[in-house]
Amino acid sequence: DAKTTQPTSMDCAEGRAANLPCNHSTISGNEYVYWYRQIHSQGPQYIIHGLKNNETNEMASLIITEDRKSSTLILPHATLRDTAVYYCIVRGLQGAQKLVFGQGTRLTINP
Amino acid sequence: KAGVTQTPRYLIKTRGQQVTLSCSPISGHRSVSWYQQTPGQGLQFLFEYFSETQRNKGNFPGRFSGRQFSNSRSEMNVSTLELGDSALYLCASSPSGYEAFFGQGTRLTVV
Repeated sequence: DAKTTQPTSMDCAEGRAANLPCNHSTISGNEYVYWYRQIHSQGPQYIIHGLKNNETNEMASLIITEDRKSSTLILPHATLRDTAVYYCIVRGLQGAQKLVFGQGTRLTINP
Repeated sequence: KAGVTQTPRYLIKTRGQQVTLSCSPISGHRSVSWYQQTPGQGLQFLFEYFSETQRNKGNFPGRFSGRQFSNSRSEMNVSTLELGDSALYLCASSPSGYEAFFGQGTRLTVV
């Protein structure tokens, strides 16, 4: 699976959009970009995944660059409950379910 | 729909003992994965089971083992516990090839 690079920490004001970047320059053609988050002391929570098109669900939007070497997770209206560590993971869709977690980005939403 | 259930939530064991952790996946999910989370190493993949067969294994010593039953419930066992095995153990279930859903974890303390 391709390696990902994320900023260690970010801050965002409550009510504003939180934009979390991720670099995955070695991603291969059949690998997807997944985002999970982990709120303190809880299990990771799936947020969204995508291949090359932009994706949106009730939680967030995922913007993947045309060359697929980077992506951005967007939380449109951040709340205090969005404070968490966000993980960007690259893996193939089919086959063994193995997630390789990096250090992630610690996002703090400030009132 | 019930989520992933892990039992027990907390456990204290003595060095040298063994421990068994249990995971009940979401109904219909055939893939169950286990992860270890420590402050120093972060989230690390232990192994994955699919239809009672181990499909993938992480880089952990043989003291860590697991199994999956015909109803997809899974157990992991750690023998000859060491202080360094103190961690949050997370189980995730997946409908194979798609997003993983994590339980709340079992926090194991080895004294």
